[in-house]
Amino acid sequence: DAGITQSPRYKITETGRQVTLMCHQTWSHSYMFWYRQDLGHGLRLIYYSAAADITDKGEVPDGYVVSRSKTENFPLTLESATRSQTSVYFCASVASSTDTQYFGPGTRLTVL
Amino acid sequence: GNSVTQMEGPVTLSEEAFLTINCTYTATGYPSLFWYVQYPGEGLQLLLKATKADDKGSNKGFEATYRKETTSFHLEKGSVQVSDSAVYFCALSTYDYKLSFGAGTTVTVRA
Repeated sequence: DAGITQSPRYKITETGRQVTLMCHQTWSHSYMFWYRQDLGHGLRLIYYSAAADITDKGEVPDGYVVSRSKTENFPLTLESATRSQTSVYFCASVASSTDTQYFGPGTRLTVL
Repeated sequence: GNSVTQMEGPVTLSEEAFLTINCTYTATGYPSLFWYVQYPGEGLQLLLKATKADDKGSNKGFEATYRKETTSFHLEKGSVQVSDSAVYFCALSTYDYKLSFGAGTTVTVRA
């Protein structure tokens, strides 16, 4: 199916564990983004990527690592999860011709 | 830096009522402005956008006008329905398509 998908949709982990959230898009969009959504903050940008092998920090990058070896995939890794990283994580890609971001369904992460 | 301020919710309305959600912004350069909507349990969807001053974005009965002089992009709908119940986010982008979001406004429409 065309679109943008995220996995897992729900994840519970413990403090100190490594967690990887997956994001896959089928449009071959160049730009991809990771946001976290927290009450009272809206969405905040964690990392973004302009193309394969090109990534850059957003507003709240601490504690996160990204990679992008293929255009269609943009995984987000929490190297040592903390309770403050409990959040809903959204991946997005942008169609540069229309300046429109398309969002995945989100991953709800709980860190105990 | 860039920032977006939108009216706090929650907002509760009756069907067919008029809805307005205020949004103001601070940005360097000339931002594009957006309204995104999030229905329960889903990701965000673009509702409408405007890319330059005095542009009006519209979709599904919603409208917003890019006002450079007041740095505002208020969302309006003349007659809301129960199906409009959602969280609405105002956002802007200046370069590299990065979005800066407001905190979101939860709207509940009662039948």
